[in-house]
Amino acid sequence: DGGITQSPKYLFRKEGQNVTLSCEQNLNHDAMYWYRQDPGQGLRLIYYSQIVNDFQKGDIAEGYSVSREKKESFPLTVTSAQKNPTAFYLCASSMAGDSNQPQHFGDGTRLSIL
Amino acid sequence: QKEVEQNSGPLSVPEGAIASLNCTYSDRGSQSFFWYRQYSGKSPELIMSIYSNGDKEDGRFTAQLNKASQYVSLLIRDSQPSDSATYLCAVNTGRRALTFGSGTRLQVQP
Repeated sequence: DGGITQSPKYLFRKEGQNVTLSCEQNLNHDAMYWYRQDPGQGLRLIYYSQIVNDFQKGDIAEGYSVSREKKESFPLTVTSAQKNPTAFYLCASSMAGDSNQPQHFGDGTRLSIL
Repeated sequence: QKEVEQNSGPLSVPEGAIASLNCTYSDRGSQSFFWYRQYSGKSPELIMSIYSNGDKEDGRFTAQLNKASQYVSLLIRDSQPSDSATYLCAVNTGRRALTFGSGTRLQVQP
């Protein structure tokens, strides 16, 4: 089945620790995105990538980092610099780096602080 | 002014009624518009896309777009309790990623 797989489903971070959220897609989509959702709020863009080995900052990139070494994969690292990381993290992809195409989402990762 | 605005709700309708969800956007150059449904604790699911003025129907869902007035709406006919969810409006505002509204929570009362 084609889709977007995010792992883990739940993640706990200790003080001062970096954690990495995985996102893999087998839809052959060029563009991939990371969003953060806080309770009762909409989605805020963290980073996006339209092509392998290239990515751009979104609205709230501070404290996060990404890589795009393969078309299928777009991992997000939440660094210790992100002081309020507790949120629902959503990875999405779309057919081309053109926002006229809809984005499709993975099931998300819930990150909490221990 | 937020780029994409939605009334947070909750919007409460009785089962079988028409639910009307509205969204306004600020960028007149926006070209594509999407409605996503998000159940509590789950990820957003695409339910409608619309690109030109007028109505687009898909089953019980109708999306309406008025670019002159900068609003897009979603009508849900014969609302069912299973339609209870948060509905997110997403707009192409000219950036390389969609901009999302904060969502409207819909409650369908049995």
